[in-house]
Amino acid sequence: EVQLLESGGGLVQPGGSLRLSCAASGFTFSNYAMSWVRQAPEKGLEWVSSITGSGTSTYYADSVKGRFTISRDNSKGTLYLQMNSLRAEDTALYYCAKDPDSYSGTYIDYWGQGILVTVSS
Amino acid sequence: ETVMTQSPATLSVSPGERVTLSCRVSQSVSSRLAWYQQKPGQAPRLLIYGASTWATGIPARFSGSGSGTEFTLTISSLQSEDFAVYYCQQYNDWPPTFGQGTKVEIK
Repeated sequence: EVQLLESGGGLVQPGGSLRLSCAASGFTFSNYAMSWVRQAPEKGLEWVSSITGSGTSTYYADSVKGRFTISRDNSKGTLYLQMNSLRAEDTALYYCAKDPDSYSGTYIDYWGQGILVTVSS
Repeated sequence: ETVMTQSPATLSVSPGERVTLSCRVSQSVSSRLAWYQQKPGQAPRLLIYGASTWATGIPARFSGSGSGTEFTLTISSLQSEDFAVYYCQQYNDWPPTFGQGTKVEIK
């Protein structure tokens, strides 16, 4: 059974940093691209970032480019999202998500339960 | 960025009714379109990919159709567990983009 468990969320001040982690299990982690998708309170879904299965290629939405960094540790089965220079508009539920193959930016076949990030003073 | 427009925003339906949700795309995405269901307090769940292919475990009452810029998700006979928000998503180009969602509520 595929499981994705996010951690690392919380309350942070504007301009601050936070690192999200996602522990994956139930599949061969290195064979699949992974993504982060977020959902602001009472809003729709926004794709944030993706990384290929090997980790050699990464992709970012314009709204986070230059501030967020996606990475993965295939030996640990863990996905990360380093978030710097956080803004109020980054407040959202962040989902760790599994892509259906090793390439990035397709669709999501499994989702974590999400972790809340709140940016506020 | 490819813009996704879903209609209607809200649909009030009685159990057992047939439901048709629309997703219009600002440029052709061929068949690279997925549909998701999201219930309150839950993560989205993949229903359809490739515009018309069922994801694992999805009941046959859900079906997807369309290509290019016009897509439809049909629920043949709405069950109580189907009241939720439905999102379409294109994956033809980066970034993948979602529609704003259609809420299916009890009439």
